[in-house]
Amino acid sequence: AQSVTQLGSHVSVSEGALVLLRCNYSSSVPPYLFWYVQYPNQGLQLLLKYTSAATLVKGINGFEAEFKKSETSFHLTKPSAHMSDAAEYFCAVSDPRNTGNQFYFGTGTSLTVIP
Amino acid sequence: ETGVTQSPTHLIKTRGQQVTLRCSSQSGHNTVSWYQQALGQGPQFIFQYYREEENGRGNFPPRFSGLQFPNYSSELNVNALELDDSALYLCASSVRQGRRTEAFFGQGTRLTVV
Repeated sequence: AQSVTQLGSHVSVSEGALVLLRCNYSSSVPPYLFWYVQYPNQGLQLLLKYTSAATLVKGINGFEAEFKKSETSFHLTKPSAHMSDAAEYFCAVSDPRNTGNQFYFGTGTSLTVIP
Repeated sequence: ETGVTQSPTHLIKTRGQQVTLRCSSQSGHNTVSWYQQALGQGPQFIFQYYREEENGRGNFPPRFSGLQFPNYSSELNVNALELDDSALYLCASSVRQGRRTEAFFGQGTRLTVV
C-alpha cells in the first residue's frame, strides 16, 4: 500500500522568502515521488519527479525536492517565493512496478504568498 | 496546454441520474487514468485503462465504470449519482514505455449533483 501525508494544509510566506512544503510517504516498495501544482479551476501540472536517480530533483519555476529514504520524506522547496507561486500543491507517490502512472495523492497544501 | 482534453467542463445532474464524462488523451499516449477530486481534497485514483482494458482500480464502487476506445480516448460513466459524487473529475494520459512515468492531466470536469 502507498500513501503520502502533507503536513500543513495551509502555508503562508512573504514574497522573497523560502518556501518549504512537507511531504512524507509510506510505501512497501521504493517509490516514485512527484509534486504537482494546481491553480484555481485548472488541472494538475507536474513540478518535478523522483524516479530513483539523483535524490535532489530540480523542477520547473525554481522548485526542487530532496528524496530522503531514512526520513521517508520528499519536501518541496524554493529559495525565494514569487506571487505567482500561490496555488495548491500536491505530493504524490506511485509504484515503479506499475508503469501506468497510478498516483496516490496527499490532501494538498495551499500556498499563500504575502506581498 | 497538455494536449489532454476533457468534456464537458461543467455539468449539473440530479441524484439518481447517470453521467458520462469524456477524455481525449495526448497523441501517442495509450494509458488513461481517472481521478476524483472532492472539494478541498487531493485527487483519488478511480481506475486506469491501458489498450482498452482496465488496468487497476481504486476504492470506488462498481457504479463507476469506464471505457477506452481504439484511439485511446476514454469515458468515465457513473450510474445512480449520489450527492457525494460532486467533484472535479480529472483525466490523465500517459504512455507505458519502460520507466517513463510522466502523466499529463486535463483541466477536469466539474460535476455537481443536486
